[in-house]
Amino acid sequence: GIQVEQSPPDLILQEGANSTLRCNFSDSVNNLQWFHQNPWGQLINLFYIPSGTKQNGRLSATTVATERYSLLYISSSQTTDSGVYFCAVGARGGATNKLIFGTGTLLAVQP
Amino acid sequence: DTAVSQTPKYLVTQMGNDKSIKCEQNLGHDTMYWYKQDSKKFLKIMFSYNNKELIINETVPNRFSPKSPDKAHLNLHINSLELGDSAVYFCASSQDSGRGGLQYFGPGTRLTVT
Repeated sequence: GIQVEQSPPDLILQEGANSTLRCNFSDSVNNLQWFHQNPWGQLINLFYIPSGTKQNGRLSATTVATERYSLLYISSSQTTDSGVYFCAVGARGGATNKLIFGTGTLLAVQP
Repeated sequence: DTAVSQTPKYLVTQMGNDKSIKCEQNLGHDTMYWYKQDSKKFLKIMFSYNNKELIINETVPNRFSPKSPDKAHLNLHINSLELGDSAVYFCASSQDSGRGGLQYFGPGTRLTVT
């Protein structure tokens, strides 16, 4: 089955810094979502981005489907950005839309 | 209005008991899912239903039985609970079952088995 790898596994930032999180996947996808799991455990959908580039405030994401990776950019980080960031993909050509999750990037933003 | 809701939010129970978690979506989606997040934060698909029909069963023990009374609801019943069932269970929904499409997640149910 499709493999999803995220890097880095952990990241510590000072407030105001920028960061880039990476997601590599091993096969063609028809779905790619970035999530933020906050300290209360809620999974917040950030982007639905199987290809292309999107921006939402301080966050943006780019997926290069032909090269099988996606990047999540966080600019001017705030303490509220802390939590785990997950990339999840759905394999193209499958009969179902199940998401395969990466192992996440744990982000800590310090004041 | 909440798009995908789950009840209860927290569930603490003893080994051997039977419990249910309920999920409802008001998005008009055809497909619903159950995912499990273990103690190491790893998230994995368990089940998926499309229009009340089971389409994914990811080698989950048969103590877990999903039930979909209609396409807006997908409940998860767990028999003979074990310590290893302690986890956070997320319900999700999407419009299509096989052509991609954004999945919306519920708030999760934290199950603790003692």
